[in-house]
Amino acid sequence: EVQLVESGGGLVQPGGSLRLSCAASGFTFSSYWMYWVRQAPGKGLGWVSRINSDESITTYADSVKGRFTISRDNAKNTLYLQMNSLRAEDTAVYYCARAKDYAIDPWGQGTLVTVSS
Amino acid sequence: QTVVTQEPSLTVSPGGTVTLTCASSAGAVTSGHYPNWFQQKPGQAPRALIYTTSNKHSWTPARFSGSLLGDKAALTLSGVQPEDEAEYYCLLFYGGAQLWVFGGGTKLTVL
Repeated sequence: EVQLVESGGGLVQPGGSLRLSCAASGFTFSSYWMYWVRQAPGKGLGWVSRINSDESITTYADSVKGRFTISRDNAKNTLYLQMNSLRAEDTAVYYCARAKDYAIDPWGQGTLVTVSS
Repeated sequence: QTVVTQEPSLTVSPGGTVTLTCASSAGAVTSGHYPNWFQQKPGQAPRALIYTTSNKHSWTPARFSGSLLGDKAALTLSGVQPEDEAEYYCLLFYGGAQLWVFGGGTKLTVL
């Protein structure tokens, strides 16, 4: 069964840092693009970042460029999102998702990040 | 900043047909935007329905179909069921900037 499990969310102060992880299982992780998507409480979905299979391509939404870094460890079947200089508007549930041939699925259940003093 | 626009809300009767659309502030939506459609129910993660305009996943019910309609992407539900009540999001790819943009979502009520 294909499964994605996010972890690492929590409460952090404005200006702080957090690293999210996404553990993948049930498929050949190293063959897929991976994405991060977020959803602020009561709001819509927002694409955050993506990374290709060998980490040679990474792209970011303008709202997080320069503050967030996506990476992966194919040996550990794990995707990461390093989030620095966090702001209140970064408060959201963060989902990881698998992508291939412009089809994005499945998604994990998400991890909540709260940025507040 | 490119904006992707969906109808904020739509209402449909059980058994009816409804079309949700997805427009881009950058111009006409084409197959090159690789439109994806997702369904999200309260408290759940999004679930993919359609990819690259009109392709269905193996779990996508036959009553869901994707297309291009004029200058927009479209998701049509034919023979709507009560369980189709949910939020629906489209997602478009902008190759020049190499980024994806979600629409604001359509809340579909089955009444």
